[in-house]
Amino acid sequence: GAGVSQSPSNKVTEKGKDVELRCDPISGHTALYWYRQSLGQGLEFLIYFQGNSAPDKSGLPSDRFSAERTGGSVSTLTIQRTQQEDSAVYLCASSGGQRDGGYTFGSGTRLTVV
Amino acid sequence: SQQGEEDPQALSIQEGENATMNCSYKTSINNLQWYRQNSGRGLVHLILIRSNEREKHSGRLRVTLDTSKKSSSLLITASRAADTASYFCATERSSGSRLTFGEGTQLTVNP
Repeated sequence: GAGVSQSPSNKVTEKGKDVELRCDPISGHTALYWYRQSLGQGLEFLIYFQGNSAPDKSGLPSDRFSAERTGGSVSTLTIQRTQQEDSAVYLCASSGGQRDGGYTFGSGTRLTVV
Repeated sequence: SQQGEEDPQALSIQEGENATMNCSYKTSINNLQWYRQNSGRGLVHLILIRSNEREKHSGRLRVTLDTSKKSSSLLITASRAADTASYFCATERSSGSRLTFGEGTQLTVNP
């Protein structure tokens, strides 16, 4: 597609439930990143996929968080047993490694845990 | 912890004035990038400056990089109300590594 697509755009869930967030990167982009942003804060790195390499999971805050990227394209971020502190905007980005390029971000999923 | 720190945290100016935002970082880098964010959603890539570059221009944007001071500045000239947004710097430590973002500067341009 023309841009990075994330779904859903908003998600309200009850504490303790599992949620899945989806990211469709730009076709052909080999790198995919997940970040999260709490209100008024900077971006916190979560996980990074690059081609067929093992993902960099060093930013995942707990074992309740996991992500996969199927076929080198679509990625799903799963949060199990959600807690109120998980409430944030979850942002996905992809990059194709072009010179002087950068990341292309999706519009994010706003997750609210009640 | 965040690699980049922006200064100031918030900036309010009048339309037509120039806006300058600064970014400091801690480690050596491959490149530094600036992004803009409206309404707390997706970020838009503005400009990338490599570690061997000192200044770069794109339209009304001017970015400088001083690797000896580990700092960068973003200048927006002749600001417009539509420039109101949050601006983030981000550093890439080595080629292909993921970006580390700062806390951002909230810019308000008053009509």
